Parts: sequence; C-alpha cells; structure tokens
Amino acid sequence: SYELTQPLSVSVALGQTARITCGGDNIGSNDVHWYQQKPGQAPVLVIYRDNNRPSGIPERFSGSHSGNTATLTISRAQAGDEADFYCHLWDGSTVVFGGGTKLTVL
Amino acid sequence: QVQLQESGPGLVKPSETLSLTCTVSGGSISGYSWSWIRQPPEKGLEWIGNIDYSGSTNYNPSLKSRVAMSVDTAKNQFSLTLSSVSAADTAVYYCARRAPSGSWYRDWGQGTLVTVSS
Repeated sequence: SYELTQPLSVSVALGQTARITCGGDNIGSNDVHWYQQKPGQAPVLVIYRDNNRPSGIPERFSGSHSGNTATLTISRAQAGDEADFYCHLWDGSTVVFGGGTKLTVL
Repeated sequence: QVQLQESGPGLVKPSETLSLTCTVSGGSISGYSWSWIRQPPEKGLEWIGNIDYSGSTNYNPSLKSRVAMSVDTAKNQFSLTLSSVSAADTAVYYCARRAPSGSWYRDWGQGTLVTVSS
C-alpha cells in the first residue's frame, strides 16, 4: 500500500519560514493536499492540488512538489500557525494520509 | 456552505457494532462523494472509506471486512457501520465531502468521539 512520510515535528522562529515535507514514491504523479488541524478541531484544508489555496487561507501558505517529495511552506510564521499538518492524496483506489507533523512556532 | 454533522452513540461495547450517521445540510448529497475518516486519540488521520450518492463504495483495505457504508438521499444522510469493534477503534470519527473536481476535502463535520469500552 502507498505510504506518505512526514517528519514528526518542525520548529520555526516567529516570522521565519517553515517547510513541512511529505515523502512518497513518485508523489509528483498525484495531486497532494494539505490540512491544518488545531487541538480539538476538525482538519482545515490549506492547500489543494499541490499548490492551490482555498479562499480564506493566507498567501503565506504555499505548496510545491519535486521528485518524491511534496512541501508545504509557511512564510512569516505566526503563533497562530501552531498546529498539526497532514498531507493527503488519492492513489486511484485509496485515500492516503501522512502521519502528521507538529509545527511549533518559537 | 454545506454543513456536516455526525451523530451516533458515544460508547460502544467491545465486539459490538458501531453505527454513525452524517447529516448534510445547506446542500444536496446528490452529485458528490462522501467519506468517513477517523482519528484515534493523539494519533493521525485514518481514512475509512468513500461512498458516492449512487451508493458506490471504496473502503480502506485494512478495515474492509468490518465496514459498510450506505446513503439515504431522501434524508440527505450517509451512514457508517463498523462491526466487531475493539479498543483500537476508539477514535474521533469525521464525515467529510470530497471536492467535485478532485480528491481533497474542504468540508468536514466537527467529529464525534466514539469510545469502545465495556
């Protein structure tokens, strides 16, 4: 079965840029989506189809992919960005989520 | 914007069957694909399965033998049953709507905690 690998945690200084990676075999051949989840809340879509932002999501959030890695980039990190982040794709027959990355803003 | 609301028992005994319903408001269930996703305490997201408005399903292979989903277009609801539950099935269960033009989930329910315990 297809697997997506994320780092358990990423730390970023306030105002700096955070990058959260999501690794998977030939991930570039699939649309990758990203969700932000704060404690006690449902996930919120922040990037869809690799690099598209839903309405209401700040431009500071962006996505990209290269080779076997997709990346969520959060520019000018704010304290309110602290959350768990999940990557997600549909491999043609199943939905796959990454294990999640806890973002800490220092 | 469409709203989703999960409902069902919060406590299920081991070996029994978990049953949840997702009620869709602010939009029709027809024309879309719908999913159940769960999250054990302090763990990540796990896809359970999809059902579209016609009743066509895809299930997580690891749960397939215990899962069934159904849709009721008249009530604008879809449902999940998970049989032979154990403590490992304790989780927050979310229903979500797949985007019509892709595989992402923009619309989620608030989630409902189901605890498996005697």
